[in-house]
Amino acid sequence: EVQLVESGGGLVQPGGSLRLSCAASGFTFSSYWMHWVRQAPGKGLVWVSRINSDGSSTSYADSVKGRFTISRDNAKNTLYLQMNSLRAEDTAVYYCARERGYSSGGYYYYGMDVWGQGTTVTVSS
Amino acid sequence: DIQMTQSPSSLSASVGDRVTITCRASQSISSYLNWYQQKPGKAPKLLIYAASSLQSGVPSRFSGSGSGTDFTLTISSLQPEDFATYYCQQSYSRGITFGQGTRLEIK
Repeated sequence: EVQLVESGGGLVQPGGSLRLSCAASGFTFSSYWMHWVRQAPGKGLVWVSRINSDGSSTSYADSVKGRFTISRDNAKNTLYLQMNSLRAEDTAVYYCARERGYSSGGYYYYGMDVWGQGTTVTVSS
Repeated sequence: DIQMTQSPSSLSASVGDRVTITCRASQSISSYLNWYQQKPGKAPKLLIYAASSLQSGVPSRFSGSGSGTDFTLTISSLQPEDFATYYCQQSYSRGITFGQGTRLEIK
């Protein structure tokens, strides 16, 4: 079964750090680009970060750039999100998601086709 | 960043109704548009990719159309399990963005 399982969430004080993990199983993890997406309580989905299949290329939302770092360990089939200088507005459920690519008419489209169940991060004093 | 605006923000409909949700991009995104469904307490589910392609396993009552800046998600005949929140998402630019969501409720 294709599965993503997040862990590492919890309560942290403003200015603190947390590292989230996302364990992948049931597919060849090293072949896929991966994402982190978050959702504040009662709010919509917000993309956080993306990493390519070998970890050599990353991108971030402006709101987390310079504070968050995405990485992966393909030998361990695990995706990470290191979160530093946390703020109250970082409080959210964090999902990891697999990117699935589709080629059509010479163009590359992609969507997030497999998602974890999410892990909750609460930033509060 | 490219802004994605969905309308309406919420919608009440009955089982069997035909429903259309609209998503507008702040600039042209060609067909780099996906649709997701999310139920309370659950992770999102990919429904449509590349504006009009149905993800494997998704019922055929779901369809997508559009290109450039204007897109629609249509549910041809609402089923009880379709009441959820729907999000559009653009993958045209490096900074991926979602719409604010459309909550579909039972009338």
